[in-house]
Amino acid sequence: AQSVTQLDSQVPVFEEAPVELRCNYSSSVSVYLFWYVQYPNQGLQLLLKYLSGSTLVKGINGFEAEFNKSQTSFHLRKPSVHISDTAEYFCAVKDSWGKLQFGAGTQVVVTP
Amino acid sequence: NAGVTQTPKFRILKIGQSMTLQCTQDMNHNYMYWYRQDPGMGLKLIYYSVGAGITDKGEVPNGYNVSRSTTEDFPLRLELAAPSQTSVYFCASSYQVSSYNSPLHFGNGTRLTVT
Repeated sequence: AQSVTQLDSQVPVFEEAPVELRCNYSSSVSVYLFWYVQYPNQGLQLLLKYLSGSTLVKGINGFEAEFNKSQTSFHLRKPSVHISDTAEYFCAVKDSWGKLQFGAGTQVVVTP
Repeated sequence: NAGVTQTPKFRILKIGQSMTLQCTQDMNHNYMYWYRQDPGMGLKLIYYSVGAGITDKGEVPNGYNVSRSTTEDFPLRLELAAPSQTSVYFCASSYQVSSYNSPLHFGNGTRLTVT
């Protein structure tokens, strides 16, 4: 069975500073990993996904994530955040039936 | 270009009441899902459907029922509302599971309070 652990429940960060959101997974089969973002009062939107191939995945809004099989991690990064990046971010792993197992979420709060 | 539409956006129920959360998608997606989101818990899968007439339980199905009579609609039914069902409910859809490029498309959620 798959599971996902997001190591930080909240990450405060100053505008234009870098941010890293940590995600570890466990899976007994091939993994398909995703990061979703949820802006206030909205549903989730796909940021990026890892299916196979290059371990560095680029997504929307300047985010990228690195798949590390040996460390079973899929950390999300952005080199310079904006106020508009304030949101909750969810790491997820997809099982063979297409069902997503979500982490508990990381709230990013960007301040000027 | 509506995507996944959920109604209502907000609802307050008394304990023991029943209601149906509506979800419809116009993308001709085969797969549909219901999640609930509780603070600090992420999203938990309640029920899912792989096509019209086919539904299956997710991680937290107790207290809920679903039906899938058409490809477009996937309503979620609460028969006897309990305070533990206070949550934000999200409906999602995807084209097919065999294509892992197929992301989930989410609705904007229904915020339900049971008092």
